[in-house]
Amino acid sequence: KQEVTQIPAALSVPEGENLVLNCSFTDSAIYNLQWFRQDPGKGLTSLLLIQSSQREQTSGRLNASLDKSSGRSTLYIAASQPGDSATYLCAVRDRDDKIIFGKGTRLHILP
Amino acid sequence: KAGVTQTPRYLIKTRGQQVTLSCSPISGHRSVSWYQQTPGQGLQFLFEYFSETQRNKGNFPGRFSGRQFSNSRSEMNVSTLELGDSALYLCASSRLGLGDDYGYTFGSGTRLTVV
Repeated sequence: KQEVTQIPAALSVPEGENLVLNCSFTDSAIYNLQWFRQDPGKGLTSLLLIQSSQREQTSGRLNASLDKSSGRSTLYIAASQPGDSATYLCAVRDRDDKIIFGKGTRLHILP
Repeated sequence: KAGVTQTPRYLIKTRGQQVTLSCSPISGHRSVSWYQQTPGQGLQFLFEYFSETQRNKGNFPGRFSGRQFSNSRSEMNVSTLELGDSALYLCASSRLGLGDDYGYTFGSGTRLTVV
């Protein structure tokens, strides 16, 4: 059974710092991995989608990597801003075509 | 291009009642999936519909059901509501679904409160 874990559960960093969020999954047989952002009480906003054959994707200050063999993905945020404060979720699409989410990392950027 | 639309945004129901939530996917998307989000359990998969057929189902009781119409719009129904059904219900649409390389686009959700 696929399980997705995100560490840490919460993170506070000063504005301007670079940071890394981690996501691990137990079954490497995935179609893709997607990173989302969720603001309080809102829906999910897709940030980056990495196909199983890809190693990384970049969008602006965000870079996501995928290492299927080790069951890990990282989301790198460069030059963090207060507007980056949100919960970040990773989700894998597994071999049964279900999306399995991690519990998320609550990020707080200190002005 | 319109996003995924969920209605209503907020809902308050009494225990024992039933409720129907609606989701309109992005135009051209044929797959719609539903998720329940609670503080304790996080995001949990309910079911996925593709071309009017339920293709995948999570581990929820039979009180949770859904359907998809020919225009890809989907409804989710919960019967005999319980206090524990209070949650944010999210739907997501995807272009093709099974085995495709596309990600999911989420709606803003319906906040259901059972009293």
